[in-house]
Amino acid sequence: GNSVTQMEGPVTLSEEAFLTINCTYTATGYPSLFWYVQYPGEGLQLLLKATKADDKGSNKGFEATYRKETTSFHLEKGSVQVSDSAVYFCALSDHNNAGNMLTFGGGTRLMVKP
Amino acid sequence: KAGVTQTPRYLIKTRGQQVTLSCSPISGHRSVSWYQQTPGQGLQFLFEYFSETQRNKGNFPGRFSGRQFSNSRSEMNVSTLELGDSALYLCASSLNTGGTEAFFGQGTRLTVV
Repeated sequence: GNSVTQMEGPVTLSEEAFLTINCTYTATGYPSLFWYVQYPGEGLQLLLKATKADDKGSNKGFEATYRKETTSFHLEKGSVQVSDSAVYFCALSDHNNAGNMLTFGGGTRLMVKP
Repeated sequence: KAGVTQTPRYLIKTRGQQVTLSCSPISGHRSVSWYQQTPGQGLQFLFEYFSETQRNKGNFPGRFSGRQFSNSRSEMNVSTLELGDSALYLCASSLNTGGTEAFFGQGTRLTVV
């Protein structure tokens, strides 16, 4: 079956530091890949996505590249802000499945200190 | 454009009771999925509805059920509540089916006492 593995947190960084959150996946076929962010007391917000190999998703300074050869979709940001503190989820949607079922990683809590 | 609306935001129920949660998707979206989020199990897929038909179902007992109406609004029902059903229940809507991006509501926080 499908699975997503992401680095455990919490990740604690100082403001303006470089961020990497690792994500690897196992899937049949060629899934679409997503990063979602969850702020305290809120639902999930789509941060970025990539639908095929070598695609780069980007949004709000965050980037992730779909690497088929390493089955990875690592999230990066060059300079984090306190407002980036949240929980980040990597997810996949399998195109072989006719629906929209998402398989999520366990989430990584990011804490950014001023 | 209004987002995904889930009601109620918070619920407290007693073991053995049943509960119904509601989700109104983004206008024009025909796919609605439900997820359970707990600290121990993370985010787990419950089921997906598309055009009033259940498309996919996760690995949950039959106490968990859902339905979708002709206007795409969806409800999920949990019968004979257990303490372990305490969770954040999230609804996600998508335009179509087949791996399109999902937009989530704020969730319903269910506490079973």
